[in-house]
Amino acid sequence: EVQLVESGGGLVQPGGSLRLSCAASGFTFNIYWMSWVRQAPGKGLEWVANIKEDGSEKHYADSVKGRFTISRDNAKNSMYLQMNSLRAEDTAVYFCARDYEGYWGQGTLVTVSS
Amino acid sequence: QAVVTQEPSLTVSPGGTVTLTCDSSTGAVTSVHYPYWFQQKPGQAPRTLIYDTSNKQAWTPARFSGSLLGGKAALTLSGAQPEDEAEYYCLLTYSAGRVFGGGTKLTVL
Repeated sequence: EVQLVESGGGLVQPGGSLRLSCAASGFTFNIYWMSWVRQAPGKGLEWVANIKEDGSEKHYADSVKGRFTISRDNAKNSMYLQMNSLRAEDTAVYFCARDYEGYWGQGTLVTVSS
Repeated sequence: QAVVTQEPSLTVSPGGTVTLTCDSSTGAVTSVHYPYWFQQKPGQAPRTLIYDTSNKQAWTPARFSGSLLGGKAALTLSGAQPEDEAEYYCLLTYSAGRVFGGGTKLTVL
């Protein structure tokens, strides 16, 4: 069974940093592109970033480019999202997702507030 | 980045048929955009209904189908049930990344 479990969310002040993690199991992690997707309270889904199987290619939404960094460790079946220079508008539930066939985790809440 | 457009809201009668569409600001949606469709109910994580235009997930009810229609991606619901009332999102893939549509709130009434 495919499982994706996010962790690392919490309350952070504007301008601060946070690192999210996604632990994958139930499939061969190193042959799939992976994504981060977020959803602000009461809003729609926003694709944030994705990363190729071997980490050699990464794409970002314009809203996070230069502030967020996606990475993965295939030896640990894990993906990460390093979030710097956080703003109030980054407040959202962040989901980890496998690009192919669209498997999702349950999400982790990030709140940016003073 | 591209803008992906969906109908903000649609209403369907129980047992009826409705088609949701997904349009791209860059031109016609084709199979190379690998259209996905997601269903989200309040308080729940999204779940994938359709991937790569028309492929169904194991849990996708048979009454849902995906296609390309008139230059757009389309999700058709045939025989709507009350439990189909939800928000539906499409997702398209481009060379520089992926973009969600704004979502369609589907009411079964």
